[in-house]
Amino acid sequence: EDQVTQSPEALRLQEGESSSLNCSYTVSGLRGLFWYRQDPGKGPEFLFTLYSAGEEKEKERLKATLTKKESFLHITAPKPEDSATYLCAVQRPGNTGKLIFGQGTTLQVKP
Amino acid sequence: NAGVTQTPKFRILKIGQSMTLQCAQDMNHNYMYWYRQDPGMGLKLIYYSVGAGITDKGEVPNGYNVSRSTTEDFPLRLELAAPSQTSVYFCASSYSVSATNEKLFFGSGTQLSVL
Repeated sequence: EDQVTQSPEALRLQEGESSSLNCSYTVSGLRGLFWYRQDPGKGPEFLFTLYSAGEEKEKERLKATLTKKESFLHITAPKPEDSATYLCAVQRPGNTGKLIFGQGTTLQVKP
Repeated sequence: NAGVTQTPKFRILKIGQSMTLQCAQDMNHNYMYWYRQDPGMGLKLIYYSVGAGITDKGEVPNGYNVSRSTTEDFPLRLELAAPSQTSVYFCASSYSVSATNEKLFFGSGTQLSVL
């Protein structure tokens, strides 16, 4: 069965304290792995898509990496405005865009 | 350019009532989706559509119905509401499922309580 598991469920950091979020997946073939950010009371907002093991993408303080079994979202020197829930999702080949989501990691960055 | 618009934002239903959640997008996207999000759980796909007149079931379709008469609109119908349908509902759209255009654009959600 296709499955996506994110850890930790919640993470508290001090401003400037770097860390990583994990997304482990088991899927019969991977078309793409997606990271989304979700602020309270809002819909998810797209961050990155990764397609093959070894691929990396960066955006400001965020860097996403991908292996054959997991993806990491590295947050370097976070700021309070990085506080949000980060969602990981996978898409299988030949699919119509349907995604399988993990349960998310809620990040709180304290000043 | 409004993106994906969902209405209403909040709704309380009594058990057995019916309602329609509205979703409209102005980006000329072919693909549209309905997800539900429960606390501590990932988003689950309810129904999706690959174009006007074409819909298909997702992971959790029971108790819901959809239609897609236009490219812009994708309403979700709840018949005989049950407490298990208490959730936050998100509509999303994407231009295509090609390698570079498959990211989803989400609406701001409808919070539904069935009491």
